[in-house]
Amino acid sequence: DAKTTQPNSMESNEEEPVHLPCNHSTISGTDYIHWYRQLPSQGPEYVIHGLTSNVNNRMASLAIAEDRKSSTLILHRATLRDAAVYYCILREFNNAGNMLTFGGGTRLMVKP
Amino acid sequence: DAGITQSPRHKVTETGTPVTLRCHQTENHRYMYWYRQDPGHGLRLIHYSYGVKDTDKGEVSDGYSVSRSKTEDFLLTLESATSSQTSVYFCAISEGRALGGYTFGSGTRLTVV
Repeated sequence: DAKTTQPNSMESNEEEPVHLPCNHSTISGTDYIHWYRQLPSQGPEYVIHGLTSNVNNRMASLAIAEDRKSSTLILHRATLRDAAVYYCILREFNNAGNMLTFGGGTRLMVKP
Repeated sequence: DAGITQSPRHKVTETGTPVTLRCHQTENHRYMYWYRQDPGHGLRLIHYSYGVKDTDKGEVSDGYSVSRSKTEDFLLTLESATSSQTSVYFCAISEGRALGGYTFGSGTRLTVV
């Protein structure tokens, strides 16, 4: 899987929007952009994924740059329960074993 | 998480002893994975399975073996535990569709003393 770069940590205030960036300058045409998050003392959980178009679901929105070299996970109103490590992962459509390769992620801290 | 359970949740064992961790799923998913998570290293894949009796190595497979005799169970064995295998172990399942999400278990915290 191609490499992604994320800030180590970010802070946000409760009830404000949060934009979590991810750079993936070596992304290939068959790579999908996946986001997972890991709450304290829990396993990672799926958040969202996309290819080219922006995506929305009940948890978050994913904005993908036109050249696909970067993307942004958007939490529209951060809550204290959103404090977690967020992982941006490129996943090749046809990769053998459908494996996910995790990087360091961004630790999001939410202040009341 | 619904559909996937890991046992035990915590274990302390002595160096040199064998240890088996169990991952059980009720989702009938084809793919199962074992990851370990350590400070400074994030999540790293140990082994994975793409069907009954079909397994393959991941990034950090040395010192570990796995078995999958039934769709629902994926066992991770440390033949002779070492202190470097102290970690939190996560199991995950996937339907195997290229875009399908993973579902992770709650983890097993293993301490080797």
